[in-house]
Amino acid sequence: EITMTQPPVTLSISPGERATLSCRASQSVSSNLAWYQQKPDQPPRLLMYGASTRATGVPARFSGSGSGTEFTLTISSLQSEDFAVYYCQQYNNWPWTFGQGTKVEIK
Amino acid sequence: EVQLVESGGGLVQPGGSLRLSCTASEFSVSLNYMTWVRQAPGRGLEWVSVIYTSGSTYHADSVKGRFTISRDNHKNTVYLQMNSLRTEDAAVYFCAREEGGYFDLWGQGTLVTVSS
Repeated sequence: EITMTQPPVTLSISPGERATLSCRASQSVSSNLAWYQQKPDQPPRLLMYGASTRATGVPARFSGSGSGTEFTLTISSLQSEDFAVYYCQQYNNWPWTFGQGTKVEIK
Repeated sequence: EVQLVESGGGLVQPGGSLRLSCTASEFSVSLNYMTWVRQAPGRGLEWVSVIYTSGSTYHADSVKGRFTISRDNHKNTVYLQMNSLRTEDAAVYFCAREEGGYFDLWGQGTLVTVSS
């Protein structure tokens, strides 16, 4: 089973600033990596798949990069609605596994 | 509107059983890979079970032999039968549509509490 690691647990960032979130896989997952956003008492929302393809309706300020074992989700200018928990998920090796999440909070 | 609506959660004693339902609107569960993902309170996400278009099913090791995923095409509903429940099974259970490995549509979730 592939372990997904997302350091740090919490990121404190001011509105308007750039946020860079990391995701690391214990072995290569090629580009089979998705990102989700979850707000309190809501289900996760798909943001990105294929490491860098935005899902339908996701604003252009969200971008993804990486392949193999190192991935990044960047939010170019944080808006108030972006403060949430972000999870990465690999779908290269079954069973699919998620990272533990990074909480982006207001600084 | 394309959506998933879960139901069936509740309070159950350890060793008990519960059946969760997930009803889809505006698309067919039989033509999609359908999954259950759970989230323990304050924790991350854990994939639980999947049913493929072929009808094949797979379960996480943590629930294998205790949980069974199934579907009723006429009702356009996916089920998760959970037996021999343990305290560690307590979580919000989300139904999700899988698209090539990632999950593009999620329900709102249903809470399962396992406690005596």
